[in-house]
Amino acid sequence: EAGVTQFPSHSVIEKGQTVTLRCDPISGHDNLYWYRRVMGKEIKFLLHFVKESKQDESGMPNNRFLAERTGGTYSTLKVQPAELEDSGVYFCASSQEDSWVSPLHFGNGTRLTVT
Amino acid sequence: AQSVTQPDIHITVSEGASLELRCNYSYGATPYLFWYVQSPGQGLQLLLKYFSGDTLVQGIKGFEAEFKRSQSSFNLRKPSVHWSDAAEYFCAVGPRSNDYKLSFGAGTTVTVRA
Repeated sequence: EAGVTQFPSHSVIEKGQTVTLRCDPISGHDNLYWYRRVMGKEIKFLLHFVKESKQDESGMPNNRFLAERTGGTYSTLKVQPAELEDSGVYFCASSQEDSWVSPLHFGNGTRLTVT
Repeated sequence: AQSVTQPDIHITVSEGASLELRCNYSYGATPYLFWYVQSPGQGLQLLLKYFSGDTLVQGIKGFEAEFKRSQSSFNLRKPSVHWSDAAEYFCAVGPRSNDYKLSFGAGTTVTVRA
């Protein structure tokens, strides 16, 4: 089966611009998560979708970040306007069930650089 | 406050030597425990996890980890390292609830020398 796919793999934008990251989960996985790793720090949770609904968005840093999952398939994470501190690697993960037993599959990440 | 600590930022080990990566956590109750690995250009891959039972857990790629409740630790070990084990390793915890958020440590980068 195809794994979790993230686009683009790298993005370099200027401060104030907008960037949209995309995640295609494994087919049939209702649960989709976004995490990010700011340079040299821990990987931190951003939000969790169950199908098209936001189950938990407590990790979203501020209202410049907007995540969507229309139709419950792929998800997008938009940063508008981007700031320097948004630089980092954004990971997407998916799982079949809303359970710790269900393995979490991570994508390769999108490396975002804001200059 | 909940936290996951990986004291070693970088470890260099010779091929064939043993490896131990440390992980300590601070949590209200014993959480679920995980180790992930990220090889260059790859995503995070689950090595092993601990939910309950035997405190010595076997994982993929010859890795094992031991849960020690008294020390709030979940250290990862491999008896003989291969060059392909060069990667970044992350310890992570998750609460024993319907809150499916992982908390990660800062990661340990492992370099394998020939």
